[in-house]
Amino acid sequence: GAGVSQSPRYKVAKRGQDVALRCDPISGHVSLFWYQQALGQGPEFLTYFQNEAQLDKSGLPSDRFFAERPEGSVSTLKIQRTQQEDSAVYLCASSLANLGTRDYNEQFFGPGTRLTVL
Amino acid sequence: AQSVAQPEDQVNVAEGNPLTVKCTYSVSGNPYLFWYVQYPNRGLQFLLKYITGDNLVKGSYGFEAEFNKSQTSFHLKKPSALVSDSALYFCAVRDYSSPRDTGRRALTFGSGTRLQVQP
Repeated sequence: GAGVSQSPRYKVAKRGQDVALRCDPISGHVSLFWYQQALGQGPEFLTYFQNEAQLDKSGLPSDRFFAERPEGSVSTLKIQRTQQEDSAVYLCASSLANLGTRDYNEQFFGPGTRLTVL
Repeated sequence: AQSVAQPEDQVNVAEGNPLTVKCTYSVSGNPYLFWYVQYPNRGLQFLLKYITGDNLVKGSYGFEAEFNKSQTSFHLKKPSALVSDSALYFCAVRDYSSPRDTGRRALTFGSGTRLQVQP
C-alpha cells in the first residue's frame, strides 16, 4: 500500500514569503505528526494531530507556524513570513494510534519537504 | 523531559564484521524505544522497537537491539555488516508515564549516527 507522501519535495522561498507544505498520511492512520529536521540533526517534534484535533503544538517554534488537518486525513503545515532559520527538512509521520490506548505503534515517515529560505 | 544520546557521530566497520550503534536514553516513566534508518533524500524507515517483554528485540534487515534498563541503553547491533547498511541511524524514545498524556506521543530523537561499512 501507499506510504506517507509529502509535497512538494523541495521548496525554495524568498525571505518573507509564506509557504504551505502538504502531508498525505497512510489511509486509516489516526495520528499525524510534523517534525523539523535541521541539517545534521535528528528530527524535532513540531505538532501532533489525533484525527482533526490538534492535541499538541508545543513544538512549533513561533506563531508564524500553523498546522491544520481539517478532515482528519491530509494535513498542511504553513509557515508565514519565512526566515532563513526556517530552512530545514519538514517530516510528516502517521501512526494507527488512538487516544487512551497503550499506543506503541511505530510512526511511518514521509520523504520530507526540504525548505530553503534565501 | 525525555532525551536520547547517541555518543558517536560516525561508526566505521568492515563488511562482514559485527556492528554496534550506541544509544542511551532518559525518561521519567517507562520508555518506548525505537530505531530508524535514514538513507539520502529519503524519509526515516522503521527498524525495530522495544515496548515490553524480551530485552533483545529483532527487527528488519537482520538488525537487533538490546534494552538494558539499569544502563538506560538501547544499542543497535548486527552480527555481520553489509555495505548496503551504510546510512544514518536514529534512536528515539517515547516516555509512557501516562497513556492520556498526548503531549508525550511524539518521539524524541537522538542526533544520529552515521554508519559507514567498508567493503
